Amino acid sequence: GENVEQHPSTLSVQEGDSAVIKCTYSDSASNYFPWYKQELGKRPQLIIDIRSNVGEKKDQRIAVTLNKTAKHFSLHITETQPEDSAVYFCAALDTGRRALTFGSGTRLQVQP
Amino acid sequence: EAQVTQNPRYLITVTGKKLTVTCSQNMNHEYMSWYRQDPGLGLRQIYYSMNVEVTDKGDVPEGYKVSRKEKRNFPLILESPSPNQTSLYFCASSHIKDRAGKLFGPGTRLTVT
Repeated sequence: GENVEQHPSTLSVQEGDSAVIKCTYSDSASNYFPWYKQELGKRPQLIIDIRSNVGEKKDQRIAVTLNKTAKHFSLHITETQPEDSAVYFCAALDTGRRALTFGSGTRLQVQP
Repeated sequence: EAQVTQNPRYLITVTGKKLTVTCSQNMNHEYMSWYRQDPGLGLRQIYYSMNVEVTDKGDVPEGYKVSRKEKRNFPLILESPSPNQTSLYFCASSHIKDRAGKLFGPGTRLTVT
């Protein structure tokens, strides 16, 4: 089955800096890669996603890149703000198995 | 307002006492799924459903059952709960083309003693 590894597990940045979270996946059949933000005590919230036929996608301060050859995908947050502080999860969807596999999460702390 | 609802939000029960956690969505989504979230393990998919009467196992289906008799509802059933099923449970739904959790419910915190 699919295995998704996420790094780092914790990340602390100064307000205004950029943050990068990286994930690798094992199954080359995976073709959909969503990212979720989860604030303390709340539900995961889909913030951006990318499909395997696209190398990069951007939405305001958030971007995701995908390298299918290397089986890497990354979340980039620019001009970080204190409200970006949360746990971020990457995931990979194996459409053959039709199940979503999550990374273990990255706790991002943005210091004002 | 588009939403996914879960009930109950909190539940403390005893080993072996059957329980059902309900999930309902109002967006006419075909795809619905259940996840459990445990510290250090992230989110793991329990079961999912591609449409009415179509369900399949995720990564951790043991000890759980689901049904999808109506498009809007996807209940999670624990026939004989055990302490290792103590967890935070999320339901999610999306259109079939996404086949992932577009919108999550608020979560159900279950404690089995």
